[in-house]
Amino acid sequence: GQQVMQIPQYQHVQEGEDFTTYCNSSTTLSNIQWYKQRPGGHPVFLIQLVKSGEVKKQKRLTFQFGEAKKNSSLHITATQTTDVGTYFCAGGSGNTGKLIFGQGTTLQVKP
Amino acid sequence: DAMVIQNPRYQVTQFGKPVTLSCSQTLNHNVMYWYQQKSSQAPKLLFHYYDKDFNNEADTPDNFQSRRPNTSFCFLDIRSPGLGDAAMYLCATSREWTPPYNEQFFGPGTRLTVL
Repeated sequence: GQQVMQIPQYQHVQEGEDFTTYCNSSTTLSNIQWYKQRPGGHPVFLIQLVKSGEVKKQKRLTFQFGEAKKNSSLHITATQTTDVGTYFCAGGSGNTGKLIFGQGTTLQVKP
Repeated sequence: DAMVIQNPRYQVTQFGKPVTLSCSQTLNHNVMYWYQQKSSQAPKLLFHYYDKDFNNEADTPDNFQSRRPNTSFCFLDIRSPGLGDAAMYLCATSREWTPPYNEQFFGPGTRLTVL
């Protein structure tokens, strides 16, 4: 079945360093969504990408959707302690709304 | 504020004792989802409703059932909880089932402990 692989599983950075998490799908995706889950919290929607090669920015966060719509990345510039949490990508395929979640990347930021 | 509410936030039950978790939403969304999330894992979809149309995931155990009596409420029933069912249960909603309107809004979750 469809799988969405996300790497790395964990990332420790010094505050001010950049951070990137990557998602790869075994099949072409119709869209990809990104969520952030703070420790002890619930996933919170960040963004959705639907177009091939799409790039969206939210302040220090940059989201990309690959040309083949099989991969995506989230890049955070100059991390802050408020960026701590687990970032999940979630891909959808075909006309189904079902999202396949990646395993998540847990970001720790050392002040 | 429009939101997704889950009650209770923490639930302790005994092995084999039925338990019901509830979810309500003020977003007037068509789709409601139930996810199971275990520690350090991604949320796992159990089932979803589009309006009153129930959709079960193929690998969701029969032990898990759901009801959606109206647009606003959705319940998760675990008929005979086992130790392996201890997890965070997340309810989510989305306006529509298909993109681009299927961004999901999650409730705070119910953490289930099975003794």
